[in-house]
Amino acid sequence: QKEVEQNSGPLSVPEGAIASLNCTYSDRGSQSFFWYRQYSGKSPELIMSIYSNGDKEDGRFTAQLNKASQYVSLLIRDSQPSDSATYLCAVHIRERKLIFGQGTELSVKP
Amino acid sequence: GAGVSQSPRYKVAKRGQDVALRCDPISGHVSLFWYQQALGQGPEFLTYFQNEAQLDKSGLPSDRFFAERPEGSVSTLKIQRTQQEDSAVYLCASNRRDRAYSGANVLTFGAGSRLTVL
Repeated sequence: QKEVEQNSGPLSVPEGAIASLNCTYSDRGSQSFFWYRQYSGKSPELIMSIYSNGDKEDGRFTAQLNKASQYVSLLIRDSQPSDSATYLCAVHIRERKLIFGQGTELSVKP
Repeated sequence: GAGVSQSPRYKVAKRGQDVALRCDPISGHVSLFWYQQALGQGPEFLTYFQNEAQLDKSGLPSDRFFAERPEGSVSTLKIQRTQQEDSAVYLCASNRRDRAYSGANVLTFGAGSRLTVL
């Protein structure tokens, strides 16, 4: 079992819709969780971090964490074509290494 | 510097050649990470330094891979006797401490070094 798993997609949504991205992780002791966005040919950039159970909102982005289910999600409201990218879930394992999932490719169609 | 700097940005090597990839992290950043990203995949952890100490090298795929950070700033990832499967983007990242949670490390990535082994 991989330490961090995501559906690779591609996930296609129409402009203005909500995009929902999901991630599960295996290390029950993990405390820190991140979503990075990566445009084609570019390096990952941080968009959200979450550490406590529940929801965390930042503009059009909402991260959700459920430690009991070992599940992290990212919602993007009012999706825009500029949101088209690969979204990487990352989990801090034992407060040392940051492990990434394989990424979910999101395509927002005008 | 203002960001994480990596060089070379692009490297083409013949199979069997040795390569060295350099990472210059953000000034004062304690932690430095190396990742390997194959096409269409997420970044795979290679190794982690805290200052000059290499605390985790569990992700290095073989003994052909070696990383060092002798003075706790610039780091070099060396790949000996390169193979075609080494072709990937090698990402370096250093941490800034997230004020919202003192135990967390939020990574800032460099632009990467794209290695192509022929």
